[in-house]
Amino acid sequence: RKEVEQDPGPFNVPEGATVAFNCTYSNSASQSFFWYRQDCRKEPKLLMSVYSSGNEDGRFTAQLNRASQYISLLIRDSKLSDSATYLCVALPEGGRRALTFGSGTRLQVQP
Amino acid sequence: DARVTQTPRDKVTEMGQEVTMRCQPILGHNTVFWYRQTMMQGLELLAYFRNRAPLDDSGMPKDRFSAEMPDATLATLKIQPSEPRDSAVYFCASGLVLAGGDNEQFFGPGTRLTVL
Repeated sequence: RKEVEQDPGPFNVPEGATVAFNCTYSNSASQSFFWYRQDCRKEPKLLMSVYSSGNEDGRFTAQLNRASQYISLLIRDSKLSDSATYLCVALPEGGRRALTFGSGTRLQVQP
Repeated sequence: DARVTQTPRDKVTEMGQEVTMRCQPILGHNTVFWYRQTMMQGLELLAYFRNRAPLDDSGMPKDRFSAEMPDATLATLKIQPSEPRDSAVYFCASGLVLAGGDNEQFFGPGTRLTVL
């Protein structure tokens, strides 16, 4: 079982739709979580960190549920430019400061 | 605009040949990571360095892969001999990791390796 699991999608949604991605992690000691975005044939880039209290950045909202060990990303009023693969990422506890990536969820926003 | 650079961007080689990939981390970053990405496996950590010292290379096939940081401005990943199953995109990332802090990793554009 992978440490971080995501639904690979693709999620095909019309412009303006609200879409939510979930991700589960198996290492209960993971201390930090992130969402990265990766465009086709490009490198991953940090989209946002995920805090226990939940956090929002414009149209994007990230939530963390430690009890159930899942992380979510909500995108409101989706734009064509949101089309990309969204990677859920966990940072294990301790000195090993290397991120563990999920396989990604592909989003395609259609006109 | 500081960024991680990687060379070459694309590499096509024949099975058995040596491949060397290079990465220049962002100046001032103390941690460098090598990842491999394939459709089947996603992003996998191969190795990483802190202050040029290797901290973890458990994700790397030791018999054919080697990673080094000869100086703070250069990280290398070498495959010898290469095999078709090594075909993937290899990403280098760097970050500034401080005690008790969580810091962003910045990825380079990747090296797309094809081994025939």
